[in-house]
Amino acid sequence: DARVTQTPRHKVTEMGQEVTMRCQPILGHNTVFWYRQTMMQGLELLAYFRNRAPLDDSGMPKDRFSAEMPDATLATLKIQPSEPRDSAVYFCASGPGGDEQFFGPGTRLTVL
Amino acid sequence: EDQVTQSPEALRLQEGESSSLNCSYTVSGLRGLFWYRQDPGKGPEFLFTLYSAGEEKEKERLKATLTKKESFLHITAPKPEDSATYLCAVRLNRDDKIIFGKGTRLHILP
Repeated sequence: DARVTQTPRHKVTEMGQEVTMRCQPILGHNTVFWYRQTMMQGLELLAYFRNRAPLDDSGMPKDRFSAEMPDATLATLKIQPSEPRDSAVYFCASGPGGDEQFFGPGTRLTVL
Repeated sequence: EDQVTQSPEALRLQEGESSSLNCSYTVSGLRGLFWYRQDPGKGPEFLFTLYSAGEEKEKERLKATLTKKESFLHITAPKPEDSATYLCAVRLNRDDKIIFGKGTRLHILP
């Protein structure tokens, strides 16, 4: 049963620390998306990639967030330095090239 | 400004009581509209994609419809296991951007 995996599932850190979240997309999928979900804002698209190339990262705060795909099996989202307002659940999703997306279980981030 | 609005925010139904969830959108150029189901503590699960007004998709007790201004998710004779948050999202033509609504929390009472 192919699934998107995300690590870590939970992360508690202090303000100012670097946070790295990892995502393994479903094998064969060529699109990868990063989302952030909060109670106030709901689900927001941060960035997405097609064939490992970044297509849009306009949803990300550029000064502290960065997203990369070092290879086809790994996508990373980094926050440096982290701030309390970054506390949220971060989801990765992958897709086979159309509009369908398969979401991972999320990383719950708490920044103290 | 591109917007997606879902209503109601929350809905409680008795088992077997059919109803509809609404997703209204104001966007400049719709590429597609999507429905997802999200259970607590999990990622959204894809349900449907609709591309043009008049299109309908069905899956078990769910049917999604699309007009030029809104989409409905009809739930027929729901069961307690249909309880979840249902999310609507649109994808824009001009820049491929995806915008999600805030969701409708559906609770089906046995």
